[in-house]
Amino acid sequence: DVKVTQSSRYLVKRTGEKVFLECVQDMDHENMFWYRQDPGLGLRLIYFSYDVKMKEKGDIPEGYSVSREKKERFSLILESASTNQTSMYLCASSPVSHDVGSYEQYFGPGTRLTVT
Amino acid sequence: AQKITQTQPGMFVQEKEAVTLDCTYDTSDQSYGLFWYKQPSSGEMIFLIYQGSYDEQNATEGRYSLNFQKARKSANLVISASQLGDSAMYFCAMILTGGGNKLTFGTGTQLKVEL
Repeated sequence: DVKVTQSSRYLVKRTGEKVFLECVQDMDHENMFWYRQDPGLGLRLIYFSYDVKMKEKGDIPEGYSVSREKKERFSLILESASTNQTSMYLCASSPVSHDVGSYEQYFGPGTRLTVT
Repeated sequence: AQKITQTQPGMFVQEKEAVTLDCTYDTSDQSYGLFWYKQPSSGEMIFLIYQGSYDEQNATEGRYSLNFQKARKSANLVISASQLGDSAMYFCAMILTGGGNKLTFGTGTQLKVEL
């Protein structure tokens, strides 16, 4: 079974703190993704990475950065957390494929972050 | 840019009945894929079903089927014989070939199955 794990299920941080959200996958997938989920807005892509040390901005990258030093690990960093970053954060991974049918993404359990 | 629209924020269905969750999409690409994911209250995203733009037959997976109408750009999820465990948030999503494996999600439909 593909397994994607996230470092915390729940996290409470103060405004201005630097926050690290860690994601690890065990299926040797090239692609990894960070989403944020908010009620009424669905999932929105923050950043994704298609290889070690490679990253691309998603739809809402402002206020976030990422790091991928190893293939299995993709970190999301909030340099200075703000209250509007209170949200559910979901990590996902997928293999590289030219067959659209193989593009399924496998998700972690999510981290519910509260910034006070 | 591609877009997914789910117009039903919430739906109710009685146990054992069928329910259809609506999804329309917008893209000018010819090659794309459509997914449905289920998210129970525990938060994990569970893949349900996939339909490719060139697939001529509607996808089916157990009690799930995808009613794909390409000309209407719709990809509705049909759940037959609803069960209490089907109560969850359901997301429709689209991927474009050559889009870097990026999924675009709709806003979701909260389904509640009642006795």
